[in-house]
Amino acid sequence: EIVLTQSPGTLSLSPGERATLSCRASQSVYSNYLAWYQQKPGQAPTLLIYGASSRTTGISDRFSGSGSGTDFTLTISRLEPEDFAVYYCQHYGASPPHSFGQGTRLEIK
Amino acid sequence: EVQVVESGGGLVQPGGSLRLSCAASGFNFNSYSMTWVRQAPGKGLEWVARIKEDGSDKNYVDSVKGRFTISRDNTQNSVFLQMNSLRVDDTAVYYCARENWILDYWGQGTLVTVSP
Repeated sequence: EIVLTQSPGTLSLSPGERATLSCRASQSVYSNYLAWYQQKPGQAPTLLIYGASSRTTGISDRFSGSGSGTDFTLTISRLEPEDFAVYYCQHYGASPPHSFGQGTRLEIK
Repeated sequence: EVQVVESGGGLVQPGGSLRLSCAASGFNFNSYSMTWVRQAPGKGLEWVARIKEDGSDKNYVDSVKGRFTISRDNTQNSVFLQMNSLRVDDTAVYYCARENWILDYWGQGTLVTVSP
């Protein structure tokens, strides 16, 4: 079973700054089947990135994903007020359970 | 428009049972796997169970194996989660999601509270 570890646990930044979130897997993620989700308070998660680097339709190009193997990154280039939320990575594809990372809380500094 | 709507949550005592339902619409239901994900109060997301398109394959997280059963009725575009022997640590919002490799559509969740 793959364990995903996200860092940092909390990231405090100001609007306009760049955010870099990390997700590290305990073993190589098959075919880079790694997704990123955003969750705002009281809402269900929404899909941002799949296949480690492909943006879902309608997601701003300020969001980008990168990485391969065991190390993945979500970058938000210029933070907008609506970007402050919790972000989760998840592996998918082969071999359930498709576990999530523990999340990174992005808060306004 | 794709919609996923959960129901069936509520308050139950430890050791009790509850059956969650998830009604889907706006897509060809029998072409997609469906997944349950839960979130304990103030905690992160936990993948719980998945059922393949035709119900032939089911997978569970270790913590619910032997207690929870996922099923589906493709004639009613619905997926279910039968939860038995519930424990206090099963308290969570339970989300149903369509699996298109990734979880691309989620419901708003239904709250399950396990408390004496």
